[in-house]
Amino acid sequence: QKEVEQNSGPLSVPEGAIASLNCTYSDRGSQSFFWYRQYSGKSPELIMFIYSNGDKEDGRFTAQLNKASQYVSLLIRDSQPSDSATYLCAVTGSGGFKTIFGAGTRLFVKA
Amino acid sequence: DTAVSQTPKYLVTQMGNDKSIKCEQNLGHDTMYWYKQDSKKFLKIMFSYNNKELIINETVPNRFSPKSPDKAHLNLHINSLELGDSAVYFCASSPPGLASNEQFFGPGTRLTVL
Repeated sequence: QKEVEQNSGPLSVPEGAIASLNCTYSDRGSQSFFWYRQYSGKSPELIMFIYSNGDKEDGRFTAQLNKASQYVSLLIRDSQPSDSATYLCAVTGSGGFKTIFGAGTRLFVKA
Repeated sequence: DTAVSQTPKYLVTQMGNDKSIKCEQNLGHDTMYWYKQDSKKFLKIMFSYNNKELIINETVPNRFSPKSPDKAHLNLHINSLELGDSAVYFCASSPPGLASNEQFFGPGTRLTVL
């Protein structure tokens, strides 16, 4: 079982719709959870982090964490073509130093 | 005003050569990392240093040797380059605090081994 799993996609949504990206992780003691966005040919950039169960909202982005189910998600409201990128889920394990990245989900937002 | 910088941006070399990639961060972070991103875009950690001390050393061939002269710099030296080493190598840093671990990435170095 992979430590951090994501659906590779591509996920295609129309402009203005809600994009829902999902991630599961295997280390039950994981402490910190991150979503990074990576445009083609660019480096990953942090867009959201969440440490506690529940929802965390930042503008059009909402991160959701359910530690009991070992599940993290990212919702992007009012999706724009500029949101088209690969979204990487990352989890810091119980040791505290090591962050494991998922393989990423490619998102296409159609104008 | 770059936060995490890497040089060179592109590196094309022959099999068997030795090459180095340099990384510097001006964010005042304590922890720095090297990641490898292969052609399938999978980002995998290789090494991490915290205040110049090696804290993560993943299963990486010993042809790869990191060096941290100070906490703002983390370089990666690769001996006897192989075709399979072709990838994008990202340096990253993160602020202090175990609960944090937000990573700030450099622009990447695209290594092509011919």
